[in-house]
Amino acid sequence: LAKTTQPISMDSYEGQEVNITCSHNNIATNDYITWYQQFPSQGPRFIIQGYKTKVTNEVASLFIPADRKSSTLSLPRVSLSDTAVYYCLVARALLSGNTGKLIFGQGTTLQVKP
Amino acid sequence: KAGVTQTPRYLIKTRGQQVTLSCSPISGHRSVSWYQQTPGQGLQFLFEYFSETQRNKGNFPGRFSGRQFSNSRSEMNVSTLELGDSALYLCASSSIPGADTQYFGPGTRLTVL
Repeated sequence: LAKTTQPISMDSYEGQEVNITCSHNNIATNDYITWYQQFPSQGPRFIIQGYKTKVTNEVASLFIPADRKSSTLSLPRVSLSDTAVYYCLVARALLSGNTGKLIFGQGTTLQVKP
Repeated sequence: KAGVTQTPRYLIKTRGQQVTLSCSPISGHRSVSWYQQTPGQGLQFLFEYFSETQRNKGNFPGRFSGRQFSNSRSEMNVSTLELGDSALYLCASSSIPGADTQYFGPGTRLTVL
């Protein structure tokens, strides 16, 4: 599976939009991009997943350019409770030999300040 | 629908002991995966079970083992504990094996003294 690279940490203020970019240069045709959020001493929580273009749900938006070598997680109007670690993962599509093994990188620690 | 539950939430053991951790997946989910999280190594995959069979295994020594029961509940066991086994052990469930969307429990914090 493609290795992902994302910033180690980011700071933001309440009410701002936060964009976290992830690089995955070696992404394969059958790979999906998935983002998880983790609060201290809790398990990761699925946020959003996409294959290409743009995906939006009630929590975030995911922007994926045509070459799919990067993706951007966008969190609108963050609050203090959005302070967490955000992981970008590349996961193989279920019918393409996915082993169910999620590979987590270091993640991006987002600190939201008042 | 209740989420993934893990017991116990906290555990303190001494070197050389063994420990068993339990995980109950979301109702209807038949696939369970285990992960170890440490500050140094981050989140690492341990193994995945489906229909009582180990489907995939990470790069951990044989001291780490697991099993799944017919009701999809899973246990993992660590024998001959070492200080380096201190970690947050996370269980995740999914409705089908190989799913890239997994639902994690709160974890069991294991401290080895």
